[in-house]
Amino acid sequence: DAGVTQSPTHLIKTRGQQVTLRCSPKSGHDTVSWYQQALGQGPQFIFQYYEEEERQRGNFPDRFSGHQFPNYSSELNVNALLLGDSALYLCASTWGVDYNSPLHFGNGTRLTVT
Amino acid sequence: GESVGLHLPTLSVQEGDNSIINCAYSNSASDYFIWYKQESGKGPQFIIDIRSNMDKRQGQRVTVLLNKTVKHLSLQIAATQPGDSAVYFCAENMSGGGADGLTFGKGTHLIIQP
Repeated sequence: DAGVTQSPTHLIKTRGQQVTLRCSPKSGHDTVSWYQQALGQGPQFIFQYYEEEERQRGNFPDRFSGHQFPNYSSELNVNALLLGDSALYLCASTWGVDYNSPLHFGNGTRLTVT
Repeated sequence: GESVGLHLPTLSVQEGDNSIINCAYSNSASDYFIWYKQESGKGPQFIIDIRSNMDKRQGQRVTVLLNKTVKHLSLQIAATQPGDSAVYFCAENMSGGGADGLTFGKGTHLIIQP
């Protein structure tokens, strides 16, 4: 039973560039959330996708956008990268939006902006 | 400010002893709480969760206690093992499960002394 998988594992970009991160949810899950984790901090909620729509969003600017595909996989896009966007980006999945199930996280994509 | 926080950034315990990790939350409307373990280079791993209609919940070697009166959450790990070394995060939301964005604390680094 595959857990949450993310790609790539590491990425280096230059300030001003754009980046796309990818996530496949755990088998049987249909809801995908994205979190940003700065070094030494807890994860911060970016947004959540369900039924291919953004369902909920945290306090992140419009430079952060996403997409969910019919197979429930998801992408996180960040435009006009800033040095402060350097972080571990975590994808998490769960089942449904009303059922009380915990989030399962992937191992993340480490993004470095230079 | 953050709705969830930790009392101690680092906790050092002897192998075989019990560990208690504490967490304070400020949002009295929160009704779902969850503990994650994060090892170096990995994503957060689900440990145990509890809803606000409960005071205590037990898992394998772990117990979560919820005191709504003082808005305090704790994670007890019995017979701590070297593999328990990690950063532990508490998180909360108001939706009763993983469906909505979680608010994480900064984490407690558990160190196991041989």
